[in-house]
Amino acid sequence: DTGVSQNPRHKITKRGQNVTFRCDPISEHNRLYWYRQTLGQGPEFLTYFQNEAQLEKSRLLSDRFSAERPKGSFSTLEIQRTEQGDSAMYLCASSDYTEAFFGQGTRLTVV
Amino acid sequence: GNSVTQMEGPVTLSEEAFLTINCTYTATGYPSLFWYVQYPGEGLQLLLKATKADDKGSNKGFEATYRKETTSFHLEKGSVQVSDSAVYFCALSHMNNNAGNMLTFGGGTRLMVKP
Repeated sequence: DTGVSQNPRHKITKRGQNVTFRCDPISEHNRLYWYRQTLGQGPEFLTYFQNEAQLEKSRLLSDRFSAERPKGSFSTLEIQRTEQGDSAMYLCASSDYTEAFFGQGTRLTVV
Repeated sequence: GNSVTQMEGPVTLSEEAFLTINCTYTATGYPSLFWYVQYPGEGLQLLLKATKADDKGSNKGFEATYRKETTSFHLEKGSVQVSDSAVYFCALSHMNNNAGNMLTFGGGTRLMVKP
């Protein structure tokens, strides 16, 4: 399977804990995106990497959020001091210069 | 800024009925337009796309035409099947050096097809 892979698929955490999600893009894609999707809504852009450089961050990405893409391969999204409002599906996508391919997402539940 | 508005669901149809899901957009210049589909428990899959005015995207019996004069990209299918039940998202993107081809999505429309 050479699609976009996200781990874990589901994460339940207590409020105030830190969580980290991983995304493995399609290997030849140099562009990687993170989106957040809350229940009943469309995905919202969070951040964009071209290779290892983080080129764009949405204002939705508060100081508690950080994303990395070391060596331009896999990416991680960390949320510190989680809040109930962080409960959502976190989607990763990768692309070349045309079509974006999405992973299956990580569903975060903060209790 | 860019925005996408699509009809609210759920849309409930009988098998073999005609489907239309309306989508309109606001954007500067000439964005590319997309329809994505999300099946239960799955990520988003690209259904079809159009990159310039009057282009028609098509796939699996679905079609949508890029109408710049009405800023619309309505999704249609002549005969829906139960297996088409899913959530459909209209989206646009601009090639932007800082944000790549970042997508702006509509709120999604849930389609339910009954046998």
